Amino acid sequence: QKEVEQNSGPLSVPEGAIASLNCTYSDRGSQSFFWYRQYSGKSPELIMSIYSNGDKEDGRFTAQLNKASQYVSLLIRDSQPSDSATYLCASRQGSQGNLIFGKGTKLSVKP
Amino acid sequence: EAGVAQSPRYKIIEKRQSVAFWCNPISGHATLYWYQQILGQGPKLLIQFQNNGVVDDSQLPKDRFSAERLKGVDSTLKIQPAKLEDSAVYLCASSLSAGGANEQFFGPGTRLTVL
Repeated sequence: QKEVEQNSGPLSVPEGAIASLNCTYSDRGSQSFFWYRQYSGKSPELIMSIYSNGDKEDGRFTAQLNKASQYVSLLIRDSQPSDSATYLCASRQGSQGNLIFGKGTKLSVKP
Repeated sequence: EAGVAQSPRYKIIEKRQSVAFWCNPISGHATLYWYQQILGQGPKLLIQFQNNGVVDDSQLPKDRFSAERLKGVDSTLKIQPAKLEDSAVYLCASSLSAGGANEQFFGPGTRLTVL
């Protein structure tokens, strides 16, 4: 059973701090990884994708991948109250496999 | 560019009744997905279409769920008969093609409540 594990939270950080969200996956055949943001009552939207070991930065967001440890993380710098949402981690096996989602981590950024 | 459209947005039915959901993907997107998202969980893929063909329906409960995409554009998902555990948000997503770097764009979802 291929699984993606996330701490459900809630993770609470003060405004301006760094939020660190973590994800582990069970399938070593997974090749690409995605972070989706889902506001309450809304649908998921893609914020980051990562395919290679190391870091990938996009604005205030940094995704980190360690395939040896089967670990993916998302850092949000200068967190804003508007970042408060559930963050879903997803993995894809191979180049054509379907996405497998974790349960999501609820992030709350306090003003 | 219009996004993924879904209807209805909300549906309340009693168990053993049937229900159908409709999805219209982004124009030109060949791949269409139906996901089920139970409260507190991530989306779970039910079925994937590439144009009008089924690519993966391994997690679709085929005794009660069916889906079609006859002309390779819009799609319907049906549940018959519904069970209490089918209460969830049903999300439709589309992408230009399957896999790779193709981003999946999600529709607003249909929230189903089975009483």
